[in-house]
Amino acid sequence: QSVMTQPHSASGTPGQRVTISCSGSSSNIATNYVYWYQQVPGTAPKLLIFQNDQRPSGVPKRISGSKSGTSASLAISGLRSEDEAAYYCATWDDTLNGPVFGGGTKLTVL
Amino acid sequence: QMQLQESGPGLVKPSETLSLTCTVSGGSITTFYWSWVRQSPGKGLEWIGYIHSSGATNYNPSLKSRVTILADTSKNQFSLNLKSVTAADRAIYYCARMPDTSGRGWFDPWGQGTLVTVSS
Repeated sequence: QSVMTQPHSASGTPGQRVTISCSGSSSNIATNYVYWYQQVPGTAPKLLIFQNDQRPSGVPKRISGSKSGTSASLAISGLRSEDEAAYYCATWDDTLNGPVFGGGTKLTVL
Repeated sequence: QMQLQESGPGLVKPSETLSLTCTVSGGSITTFYWSWVRQSPGKGLEWIGYIHSSGATNYNPSLKSRVTILADTSKNQFSLNLKSVTAADRAIYYCARMPDTSGRGWFDPWGQGTLVTVSS
């Protein structure tokens, strides 16, 4: 059972905007940065968002992150078939004293 | 461009020790934090632990009694030892850098991962 909760699945059609939520607690998201990773099947996770809303070089502007209180969200606009993957939120947990991940959301592009 | 590559046995017997090495190229392990993360097939991600360039370590409490992470700066490698393995330790094991000076940051880049199966 993951420390942070994500919906198991999400879907959208090409061109649509989808959001993926990540719910945490006062010991993790509320007081720490949130990160998002994309994992295409058979490959390693790839960093999409760091420090809540920052995009690494190479990540398109149509991908964005936000955080409010004990929750965070990842938004993908202009959905493309290549966005079909699993998405994981992550942060630091002050109780665990280490990084924690959400359970992951499988995004399907219909 | 920094690259990380895991290596080690893909099959370990129950009760024995899983040993993996991560070789880093395109950068030095003498800065930042270096982590191990695992993913059970079809499941989510679990942080195992990290080692700082100073040699300090931090482990997931759920694995702490069985985990040791070491670094060999002369080879630019760091390693994972997980003792007394069971079938529950079957997973893809990833090594990754944590490029934030606080040690509370993100993982980037990641190695490609290596599948370790526990079976007699």
